[in-house]
Amino acid sequence: AQTVTQSQPEMSVQEAETVTLSCTYDTSENNYYLFWYKQPPSRQMILVIRQEAYKQQNATENRFSVNFQKAAKSFSLKISDSQLGDTAMYFCAFTLEGAQKLVFGQGTRLTINP
Amino acid sequence: DAGVTQSPTHLIKTRGQHVTLRCSPISGHKSVSWYQQVLGQGPQFIFQYYEKEERGRGNFPDRFSARQFPNYSSELNVNALLLGDSALYLCASNLLGAGREDTQYFGPGTRLTVL
Repeated sequence: AQTVTQSQPEMSVQEAETVTLSCTYDTSENNYYLFWYKQPPSRQMILVIRQEAYKQQNATENRFSVNFQKAAKSFSLKISDSQLGDTAMYFCAFTLEGAQKLVFGQGTRLTINP
Repeated sequence: DAGVTQSPTHLIKTRGQHVTLRCSPISGHKSVSWYQQVLGQGPQFIFQYYEKEERGRGNFPDRFSARQFPNYSSELNVNALLLGDSALYLCASNLLGAGREDTQYFGPGTRLTVL
């Protein structure tokens, strides 16, 4: 079975700083996809960024980028120039190619302080 | 375009009752998935439906059931409610469904409280 682990239950940084959230996963498969979702206090789960395992290039979306290390099964999220609106729970998620479900980590609560 | 919509927003039930939660996918999306998110945890997969057929089921008891309608909307039903069923129920839709990977987009969720 696939598992996703987020080892940082909570993190807190000052506005404009850079922060990195960690995620590791376990799978014996070769073709899969990784995601970071953001869940603010409104509870809406919002896609932040997506990475295909077959792509060596790390995905980027504006201030958000990932460091995907396939051999180490690591998928960290870097938020640059953090903003107050980035305050939220962040979930790392995994799905196999052709699978029907997302497997989520336990989440990291990120607080951006003014 | 409207995103994924869910109703109701909040719901309070008592133990032993039945509940029905509803979800409308993004226009053009044919696949709907349901997740349960207990407070303080990540979402857990319950079901996926594609073209009105169940394509995946998580580790949940038979008290949980779902269906998908011809317009691709979906219902999640839970019978004989237990206190432990209290959670946020999330619905997600994606375009292609089983056998293909594409990103799932989530609705705002239904908060169920069982007393």
